[in-house]
Amino acid sequence: QSALAQPASVSGSPGQSVTISCTGSSSDVGSYDLVSWYQQHPGRGPKVIIYEVSKRPSGVSHRFSASKSGDTASLTISGLRAEDESDYYCCSYAGNTTLVFGGGTKLTVL
Amino acid sequence: QVQLVQSGTEVKKPGSSVKVSCKASGGTFSSEAFTWVRQAPGQGLEYLGGLIPILGTPSYAQRFQARVTITADTSTRTVYMNLDSLRSEDTAIYYCAIYCSSGSCHLGALDIWGQGTLVAVSS
Repeated sequence: QSALAQPASVSGSPGQSVTISCTGSSSDVGSYDLVSWYQQHPGRGPKVIIYEVSKRPSGVSHRFSASKSGDTASLTISGLRAEDESDYYCCSYAGNTTLVFGGGTKLTVL
Repeated sequence: QVQLVQSGTEVKKPGSSVKVSCKASGGTFSSEAFTWVRQAPGQGLEYLGGLIPILGTPSYAQRFQARVTITADTSTRTVYMNLDSLRSEDTAIYYCAIYCSSGSCHLGALDIWGQGTLVAVSS
């Protein structure tokens, strides 16, 4: 059960788009369409922004989109805003009723 | 809507154990997939394990298999996470969350989170 691989940091200017990758294996991301993404602001708990690979909960901005190809899931944030600056985590079902998280990505809005 | 309220801050010595509680209000409790996640200072989220009370059998992340025990008390609607043989690296915020495995929720996501419990391990 190795952690999913995410870039430690990404950055972009307001209005731009950024993509955060999340690479797992055929034991997790590659086998299940049960990838979720979380946004966590400093000092706060995580909040789900994507579930089932690409679905957005109500109330989450349409600027957040996600997809999966093979063992890699991706989160794209378009039209960057200052309030998007946060930590982002992916998570995948890993079989046998277990989960695995990515290491997290710090998004900086320049 | 389910709400999760966790127990308060714990300060422990290395080698001791800690038991964190998570009380659920609302929802069905027994069929919920309770999940424990921790976050060390400045670090990422880490899955510890989970339990669906009605099924009874918990599942654990491999690296915590020998040290963590997750149980539930349906009479008090409370789930517990016990971690043994504490070391300084276990200092973290421990979160209880509910994983949506079916029904009218966000499938495959940790939908509802408790407020977190700080466990500090220091001699």
